[in-house]
Amino acid sequence: DAGVIQSPRHEVTEMGQEVTLRCKPISGHNSLFWYRQTMMRGLELLIYFNNNVPIDDSGMPEDRFSAKMPNASFSTLKIQPSEPRDSAVYFCASMATSGRVVYEQYFGPGTRLTVT
Amino acid sequence: EDKVVQSPLSLVVHEGDTVTLNCSYEVTNFRSLLWYKQEKKAPTFLFMLTSSGIEKKSGRLSSILDKKELSSILNITATQTGDSAIYLCAVGGSGGSNYKLTFGKGTLLTVNP
Repeated sequence: DAGVIQSPRHEVTEMGQEVTLRCKPISGHNSLFWYRQTMMRGLELLIYFNNNVPIDDSGMPEDRFSAKMPNASFSTLKIQPSEPRDSAVYFCASMATSGRVVYEQYFGPGTRLTVT
Repeated sequence: EDKVVQSPLSLVVHEGDTVTLNCSYEVTNFRSLLWYKQEKKAPTFLFMLTSSGIEKKSGRLSSILDKKELSSILNITATQTGDSAIYLCAVGGSGGSNYKLTFGKGTLLTVNP
């Protein structure tokens, strides 16, 4: 199994530019999560999808952030326009769910974003 | 709002020592508690504890869930330098189709030779 795949692994961009992060979940997993990790705030949930439908986006910082999941094997997180305070590591994670049974989340390698 | 607090924030020990990491939580409709290990990359799964499985063990690592005290501990015996990492505790709560996890800020463990 290839695991969760994220791209790019590193992104350096200038303030004001649009940034798109990509994620391919593990095949068969029907829940997908986007997290942001910084030293100050730790690991924060931004948004998660269940069966391609956004369930909870209360962690999305502001309107500059948007996420989509057009199908079961692909998701994007977009920041437009980007700001220096968006610099962080962004993780995508996926999980299999079945009724009330909950399994562990598997994390991708992350995208390290630097906005100058 | 769900809340997870880990202690200590950081810990430095020598190889061979035994360590205990703590996690306390406040969550609506507790479902599961998970421990992850994070080295210089993505968190990797260690254990999941639920109402039906309150104790887990794997090699030198073990974890116990105390639902009465709303807490969990992660024990590592005979520590090795390879155990150096951030250990994250996460709790899943609520019901229905809400499967999100709330993470603590982690405990940074440093094991010196």
